[in-house]
Amino acid sequence: EDQVTQSPEALRLQEGESSSLNCSYTVSGLRGLFWYRQDPGKGPEFLFTLYSAGEEKEKERLKATLTKKESFLHITAPKPEDSATYLCAVQARAGNTPLVFGKGTRLSVIA
Amino acid sequence: GAVVSQHPSWVICKSGTSVKIECRSLDFQATTMFWYRQFPKQSLMLMATSNEGSKATYEQGVEKDKFLINHASLTLSTLTVTSAHPEDSSFYICSASGLADRFNTGELFFGEGSRLTVL
Repeated sequence: EDQVTQSPEALRLQEGESSSLNCSYTVSGLRGLFWYRQDPGKGPEFLFTLYSAGEEKEKERLKATLTKKESFLHITAPKPEDSATYLCAVQARAGNTPLVFGKGTRLSVIA
Repeated sequence: GAVVSQHPSWVICKSGTSVKIECRSLDFQATTMFWYRQFPKQSLMLMATSNEGSKATYEQGVEKDKFLINHASLTLSTLTVTSAHPEDSSFYICSASGLADRFNTGELFFGEGSRLTVL
């Protein structure tokens, strides 16, 4: 069974204090690993897709990396507006298969 | 970019009534749509997979007679919660997958979600 585990469950950072979120996964034939940002009462907002071990992608203060067993979302010098829940998900095999989500990490960045 | 629109964004209804939620892909043809449910501080849980023109595939434990899904066109899927009860109160989110040769990002596009509260 495909599984995604995110840690920590919640993270509180001071503005400018860099940190990383972890996403461990088990999946049969990874097609892609996805990172989404979700604000309260909103749908997930796409951040990154990673396809193979060693791949890295960056967007503003965020950088996502991927190994064969886990992915990290690095947040450099976060700002209060980065506060949100960050969701990790995997998609198995090819074709239109659904994403399997982790429970997310609730990030709070304090000014 | 591609946009998926959900309507209504929130709805309050009495127990025993039915509620319909629409999910539209605004600028691409969605061959497949997924319906998720999310309880507070929990992850998105897949309810069903809907392919245009065919019956939806439901996940284990999801009652197909209670959660009716229709995907009659390439731009619209609907979820109807029939005879809703308070335990059906949740955040329902749809996502849409387009033709692979158009969007090569691997991205699944999500709607804004619909908050259902059953009194």
